[in-house]
Amino acid sequence: EPEVTQTPSHQVTQMGQEVILRCVPISNHLYFYWYRQILGQKVEFLVSFYNNEISEKSEIFDDQFSVERPDGSNFTLKIRSTKLEDSAMYFCASSGDLNQPQHFGDGTRLSIL
Amino acid sequence: GNSVTQMEGPVTLSEEAFLTINCTYTATGYPSLFWYVQYPGEGLQLLLKATKADDKGSNKGFEATYRKETTSFHLEKGSVQVSDSAVYFCALSPNFGNEKLTFGTGTRLTIIP
Repeated sequence: EPEVTQTPSHQVTQMGQEVILRCVPISNHLYFYWYRQILGQKVEFLVSFYNNEISEKSEIFDDQFSVERPDGSNFTLKIRSTKLEDSAMYFCASSGDLNQPQHFGDGTRLSIL
Repeated sequence: GNSVTQMEGPVTLSEEAFLTINCTYTATGYPSLFWYVQYPGEGLQLLLKATKADDKGSNKGFEATYRKETTSFHLEKGSVQVSDSAVYFCALSPNFGNEKLTFGTGTRLTIIP
């Protein structure tokens, strides 16, 4: 069964550094998402992306965050200048047409020191 | 805005016990409802879904019925197994699944032999 893959599984970064989290969605999917889960808290929506542009973003997704689909397969989340509170598990998800639910990757655990 | 309220955990049951995890929601319109499961060290997997009132989602012995009159989507299983130990998340989407998911806090379930 096709799956969403995320790399790396764990990223450790110094505060203030830029970080890029990578995702390869399921190949024929059209809608892409990023969520995050701070340890012990609920999964929170960050951003959705369709047709090469952001469809919706949450208040968490401020100017420090950006997303890109640089080629036909990857979907990336960039945090420009990381803060301690950015430490979380970041999940990528994708979905196909209007009748398909979102499929999630295994997540990238981001640790900011 | 939309919200999901989920039964507080953790929940510990003996093998073969009956399971109920409560979930209620607040939403405008006609949301779609989901249960996702997160096994240790893994990402979120869709367990079951329901897209309209009175629909029953089912998978792997788990069931949940979309009750519009009580705005609930409780997860049930008649006889749990050790392999069901995981964190269970109730979630909703304004439409089928191509808009942002709003998650509950998650319920950690541990099944003891």
